Amino acid sequence: DQQVKQNSPSLSVQEGRISILNCDYTNSMFDYFLWYKKYPAEGPTFLISISSIKDKNEDGRFTVFLNKSAKHLSLHIVPSQPGDSAVYFCAASAWAGGSGYALNFGKGTSLLVTP
Amino acid sequence: DTGVSQNPRHKITKRGQNVTFRCDPISEHNRLYWYRQTLGQGPEFLTYFQNEAQLEKSRLLSDRFSAERPKGSFSTLEIQRTEQGDSAMYLCATMTLGSSYNSPLHFGNGTRLTVT
Repeated sequence: DQQVKQNSPSLSVQEGRISILNCDYTNSMFDYFLWYKKYPAEGPTFLISISSIKDKNEDGRFTVFLNKSAKHLSLHIVPSQPGDSAVYFCAASAWAGGSGYALNFGKGTSLLVTP
Repeated sequence: DTGVSQNPRHKITKRGQNVTFRCDPISEHNRLYWYRQTLGQGPEFLTYFQNEAQLEKSRLLSDRFSAERPKGSFSTLEIQRTEQGDSAMYLCATMTLGSSYNSPLHFGNGTRLTVT
């Protein structure tokens, strides 16, 4: 059962423009959301996170927006750079309960930033 | 390098053989997780340790899989009688369970297993 969904397998954006990556989740118990970036042959690298008590978190060129009522979050990259080309994974977890804080990942969106 | 270290990076084995992977965490991290990633999928949770105690196992972790974390430091993941369906990237991730839950997982570069 896929609780975190990234419905766009790929996205192509021109350098300098905004990249918007989307993510939907189904589990209303999720209270912590993260974005990871992954290059080939490497493990995922943490990019940015947001807790459910916020609706926006910004870090440099990266901003994550959370819409709890819609169970939707998005990652904005502005301006996009060729080095941003990678696979981006959305992940979510529920702090409460015995889940061990295990992250649930989406299938990823492959971002290509073209010069 | 003070990141999460995984060895070997690549492992090719024949069906039916046993394999063991190792993960060395960031030193102060008390939680250690194993994930599996197959082509076109995101990482899938397998199991996790709080110090040396294995606290949860996913239904993905069949009885051919066993994980240990002796003394709460490095961890090993063993797969017995490997099957072709075990071919995947096995990722280790660690974190510190502190006063705030807003701590991300730090991943190693994984061990890529190919079962022929």
